Amino acid sequence: DADVTQTPRNRITKTGKRIMLECSQTKGHDRMYWYRQDPGLGLRLIYYSFDVKDINKGEISDGYSVSRQAQAKFSLSLESAIPNQTALYFCATSWSGDEQFFGPGTRLTVL
Amino acid sequence: DAKTTQPPSMDCAEGRAANLPCNHSTISGNEYVYWYRQIHSQGPQYIIHGLKNNETNEMASLIITEDRKSSTLILPHATLRDTAVYYCIVRVARNFNKFYFGSGTKLNVKP
Repeated sequence: DADVTQTPRNRITKTGKRIMLECSQTKGHDRMYWYRQDPGLGLRLIYYSFDVKDINKGEISDGYSVSRQAQAKFSLSLESAIPNQTALYFCATSWSGDEQFFGPGTRLTVL
Repeated sequence: DAKTTQPPSMDCAEGRAANLPCNHSTISGNEYVYWYRQIHSQGPQYIIHGLKNNETNEMASLIITEDRKSSTLILPHATLRDTAVYYCIVRVARNFNKFYFGSGTKLNVKP
């Protein structure tokens, strides 16, 4: 969905590096989410934010941090990347608890 | 949120109806059934959701059994572009709590 954009779309990095993935939305939604997807598996929630001042851990938050800079922006950081964080990362938005709209994804490879 | 059970894969001939089943035997009275799909590593796409009554939109129909323990997503005239992984999710609408995607059903639409 073009209303939810993610940058970069692809990233290759080395173990120990700090990485930031960015998500922006023009849908005016209050809630934003970060998921990761490993090959052949469903999506797992990393962090979610109900508004700028409300950030919550998901089921797999260890090794990740987030920042909600504005209603439209939600960034995911890997403070010290490790190989098992190699995955496809998706950002999503929703208006309250309604259906979620997903970005195109960021493919991250940690060597 | 209740967990769901879906077949890992299904085939469907192009132009025919695709009927994707989902079991959610532990669903609670206030939980909705949502369907999403993911086309080859793209961001998941919302399809439809419902509580008790059958629902239809421009993409699909959702049939929920009277006891609400199972549902079927129907794509009335499947095309090759409908080849994707389809996820059935049960959750309380407007209450964010473990939006669990599971492994889904890989639908293969064949010419």
